[in-house]
Amino acid sequence: GQNIDQPTEMTATEGAIVQINCTYQTSGFNGLFWYQQHAGEAPTFLSYNVLDGLEEKGRFSSFLSRSKGYSYLLLKELQMKDSASYLCAVLDSNYQLIWGAGTKLIIKP
Amino acid sequence: TAGITQAPTSQILAAGRSMTLRCTQDMRHNAMYWYRQDLGLGLRLIHYSNTAGTTGKGEVPDGYSVSRANTDDFPLTLASAVPSQTSVYFCASSDSGSGSTGELFFGEGSRLTVL
Repeated sequence: GQNIDQPTEMTATEGAIVQINCTYQTSGFNGLFWYQQHAGEAPTFLSYNVLDGLEEKGRFSSFLSRSKGYSYLLLKELQMKDSASYLCAVLDSNYQLIWGAGTKLIIKP
Repeated sequence: TAGITQAPTSQILAAGRSMTLRCTQDMRHNAMYWYRQDLGLGLRLIHYSNTAGTTGKGEVPDGYSVSRANTDDFPLTLASAVPSQTSVYFCASSDSGSGSTGELFFGEGSRLTVL
């Protein structure tokens, strides 16, 4: 079966750095997405990786290793507004998105 | 820019009743999707449409139907609601054109409670 694993919940301190991991086992791979979802709101796109390596976008970076079936989302200089759920999703060989259950990130002052 | 609009925002429905969740986008995206989101689970695809006039079944299609008469609208119908259909429903669209990453744009969600 197809599976996306990410931690259920993480806690970090304002101003710090946090890394949210995602491992996947899918039938084929056509890219990996990270989305942010604030409580009671819709998911919004953060990043897309299709090649190995690090993609940096401001305070957020996303890393991919296809050989390891692994990605992480790195958030720097954490702000209270970063408190949200972070969803990892993989596009499989049929171009269907497989979603993880999401990681709830709690930021403490 | 409106993006994707869903209605209603929330609804309480008696079991056995029918209900249509509306979804309209103004981005001229070819592909549209309906997901349900339940606590502790990832987003699950109900139905999708790659282009106007075509639809397909997702991971959890039973009890739901969709239509795609034009590019902008993609309504989701529950013919006879059951309590297990209590969920938050998200409509989404994507630009499937070349050069696009295929990122999804989501509506604000419709919270449905079936009693």
